[in-house]
Amino acid sequence: DQQVKQNSPSLSVQEGRISILNCDYTNSMFDYFLWYKKYPAEGPTFLISISSIKDKNEDGRFTVFLNKSAKHLSLHIVPSQPGDSAVYFCAAGGLTGGGNKLTFGTGTQLKVEL
Amino acid sequence: GAGVSQTPSNKVTEKGKYVELRCDPISGHTALYWYRQSLGQGPEFLIYFQGTGAADDSGLPNDRFFAVRPEGSVSTLKIQRTERGDSAVYLCASSPGGSGANVLTFGAGSRLTVL
Repeated sequence: DQQVKQNSPSLSVQEGRISILNCDYTNSMFDYFLWYKKYPAEGPTFLISISSIKDKNEDGRFTVFLNKSAKHLSLHIVPSQPGDSAVYFCAAGGLTGGGNKLTFGTGTQLKVEL
Repeated sequence: GAGVSQTPSNKVTEKGKYVELRCDPISGHTALYWYRQSLGQGPEFLIYFQGTGAADDSGLPNDRFFAVRPEGSVSTLKIQRTERGDSAVYLCASSPGGSGANVLTFGAGSRLTVL
């Protein structure tokens, strides 16, 4: 039972264009969401988060949008840079119970081409 | 330390052997997590410590897996009678703990290969 889904295993984008990574979730108890970036042979690195009381959070080139009614979130990267090439994981957590346990999606491999 | 440190970075063992994986969290972080990542999958939750106690061990796949954190800092994940299906990258993460949404900081992982 996959509670967090990333349906696109890979995405290829040209440098300077926008990258849009998508994530869907099924558990209504999730009330905060995070994106992590992972390079080979390294652990996941936190990128940006959003609480369920917001629908948008922006940090430099990275913006996360949350649509609670659709149980959908997306990460926008603009402009995309070659150094953004990595695997991106969507993660979700619930503040009520379970501590800060996060449930992760299967990841999307982003390739930014010159 | 500056980040989450995991040792060994790579471990190759034979089926049936016992394995220990160590995690040294960020100094002062009270919460510590173990995750497992198999090829092509996202990190899968195993166990969460708040201080010395296991607050949630619902992700441990069976009783061959056990984890301890005796002094509320370093943690060891122990796997008995390893099986080929245990091969994966074992990730440790820590966070400040407390109320509210915390960001987990991950180590680089321990890659376990069971032959």
